[in-house]
Amino acid sequence: DTAVSQTPKYLVTQMGNDKSIKCEQNLGHDTMYWYKQDSKKFLKIMFSYNNKELIINETVPNRFSPKSPDKAHLNLHINSLELGDSAVYFCASSQGVSGANVLTFGAGSRLTVL
Amino acid sequence: GQNIDQPTEMTATEGAIVQINCTYQTSGFNGLFWYQQHAGEAPTFLSYNVLDGLEEKGRFSSFLSRSKGYSYLLLKELQMKDSASYLCAVRDSNYQLIWGAGTKLIIKP
Repeated sequence: DTAVSQTPKYLVTQMGNDKSIKCEQNLGHDTMYWYKQDSKKFLKIMFSYNNKELIINETVPNRFSPKSPDKAHLNLHINSLELGDSAVYFCASSQGVSGANVLTFGAGSRLTVL
Repeated sequence: GQNIDQPTEMTATEGAIVQINCTYQTSGFNGLFWYQQHAGEAPTFLSYNVLDGLEEKGRFSSFLSRSKGYSYLLLKELQMKDSASYLCAVRDSNYQLIWGAGTKLIIKP
């Protein structure tokens, strides 16, 4: 199946821990994103990579570090987790960033920090 | 600042028509998108408008007026499966997507 897949789907962890979320797309897209959706349902862009290069880095704590080993993968590592990091994290991809280029989202990773 | 405004919640009856409005204030405009998001799932693409006017796609239509900073999504012949959140997003002059908080649509039998 052609898709954006992210793992894990659910992640429950303690404050202060370090965790990673992995994302892979087999759509042949050149741009990948990480979004955070909080309890108020706003989708906030965190990072965007185009052909493995960072093109958007919104104001997120530097505890969040994206890594793109190739253009089909964009992983998110979070250090020293805090309660406020609890949210659903969506990975997405698109072909380019202009025109009618549509984002295809992964199913989301629900992170709960206790 | 940039912002997208949509009603928080709407209720409609199965078989009826509903219009979800979106107003935006952004630095530049390079297209407007509507996405559907069922509870606990990923957003999925519904429509794209870059020129003024109406785009029709089956039961769903989307309208844009750039001079008014306004769009709406029209859903006809509502079905129970249309119960979801509908997200409006605008691409600004830097080609960044600015998202609204979404409108939760509740369909009643």
